[in-house]
Amino acid sequence: QSALTQPPSASGSPGQSVAISCTGTSSDVGAYDYVAWYRQYPGKAPKLIIYEVNKRPSGVPDRFSGSKSGNTASLTVSGLQGEDEADYYCSSHAGGNTWVFGGGTKLTVL
Amino acid sequence: EVQLVESGGGLVQPGGSLRLSCAASGFTFRGYYMNWVRQAPGKGLEWVAIIKGDGSEKVYVDSVRGRFTISRDNTKNSLSLQMNNLRVEDTAVYHCVRGSDGAFEIWGQGTMVTVSS
Repeated sequence: QSALTQPPSASGSPGQSVAISCTGTSSDVGAYDYVAWYRQYPGKAPKLIIYEVNKRPSGVPDRFSGSKSGNTASLTVSGLQGEDEADYYCSSHAGGNTWVFGGGTKLTVL
Repeated sequence: EVQLVESGGGLVQPGGSLRLSCAASGFTFRGYYMNWVRQAPGKGLEWVAIIKGDGSEKVYVDSVRGRFTISRDNTKNSLSLQMNNLRVEDTAVYHCVRGSDGAFEIWGQGTMVTVSS
């Protein structure tokens, strides 16, 4: 049950695109399409923005997209806006109904 | 409106016990897996435990297995986490979270647990 690996920080200017990676193993990210992404503002609860690798819940703008290749999943935020500045976390099923999160990435909009 | 509201957090000494509760509303509670997810101050998210809709399956992260017990009462739309033999490293905000489609779909605001002497 080791945490997934995310870069501690990422940044981009308004209007640009930024990608955040989430690296696991063949026992979690590589084994299942149950990869999800969350956005968390300071002092607030996380919010689901991507599930099953690349699906968006109702109300999440299509500027947010997800993908997966092998043991690494990625979240891409296009057309960066100031409100996108937040912490982002990935999660994955890890077998036996256990779950694991990434360490989180702080996204800064320059 | 789908809502999850946690309660029961507080300050407890190492080795002590605490019981967290989560009141669910706005959805068919028994139809969903429910989870506890925690976040230590300034740290990332950590999945703690999951329970199936009918309560027949319970799974825990290694670090709490044998000390924490997740349970639910579908007649009262409530989720609980009994935490025994608490350690300093259990200090965190504990979120009640609805599971769906392989993700943590709906989050409560959380309740703070502080383990300190």
